[in-house]
Amino acid sequence: DAGVIQSPRHEVTEMGQEVTLRCKPISGHNSLFWYRQTMMRGLELLIYFNNNVPIDDSGMPEDRFSAKMPNASFSTLKIQPSEPRDSAVYFCASSLRTSGGAGETQYFGPGTRLLVL
Amino acid sequence: GQNIDQPTEMTATEGAIVQINCTYQTSGFNGLFWYQQHAGEAPTFLSYNVLDGLEEKGRFSSFLSRSKGYSYLLLKELQMKDSASYLCAVRAPYSGGGADGLTFGKGTHLIIQP
Repeated sequence: DAGVIQSPRHEVTEMGQEVTLRCKPISGHNSLFWYRQTMMRGLELLIYFNNNVPIDDSGMPEDRFSAKMPNASFSTLKIQPSEPRDSAVYFCASSLRTSGGAGETQYFGPGTRLLVL
Repeated sequence: GQNIDQPTEMTATEGAIVQINCTYQTSGFNGLFWYQQHAGEAPTFLSYNVLDGLEEKGRFSSFLSRSKGYSYLLLKELQMKDSASYLCAVRAPYSGGGADGLTFGKGTHLIIQP
């Protein structure tokens, strides 16, 4: 079975440019999460969706960041305009909601390594 | 808010046992996860605890004490491939809306020596 798929795997861009990261969750999963990882701050939750609906975006750092999930098999994280401090690894993860809500393991994609010059 | 503490780095010897501790102070709790992350790779799930006690899975075990806000990950019969970062993560209470995001500690970088 395919795991979480992310693209691109690497992105180098210049400050001020728009960056779009893409994620395809595991088929059948109904929760999707975007995380950012840096050496200084570790792994941080940015936003998550349940059944394509954004539930909590309190981790999104600024209005320059936006995320969408138009259907159950696709999500995007967009940064516009990008800044050097946005350089990080961005992970997408998905999980399957169960009736009891416990033990919902999140499976991570390989990540997108973003460098903003 | 959530605060999760774990040691930054540990060193252990191949074949030995190592215990990685994690303490947390959170506004709510609905489960604690341990993930393994090799350099340049994605985190992979190791274990989950929601009730007090020990969960064993092969060479890996995880313990939880909710009253103390404490967990540990125990790795036995260490192998060189166990050199990685180990991330402790806490999940917020189930809000009725489905799976909630995780709050991660900074991770413990484990170095295995021959």
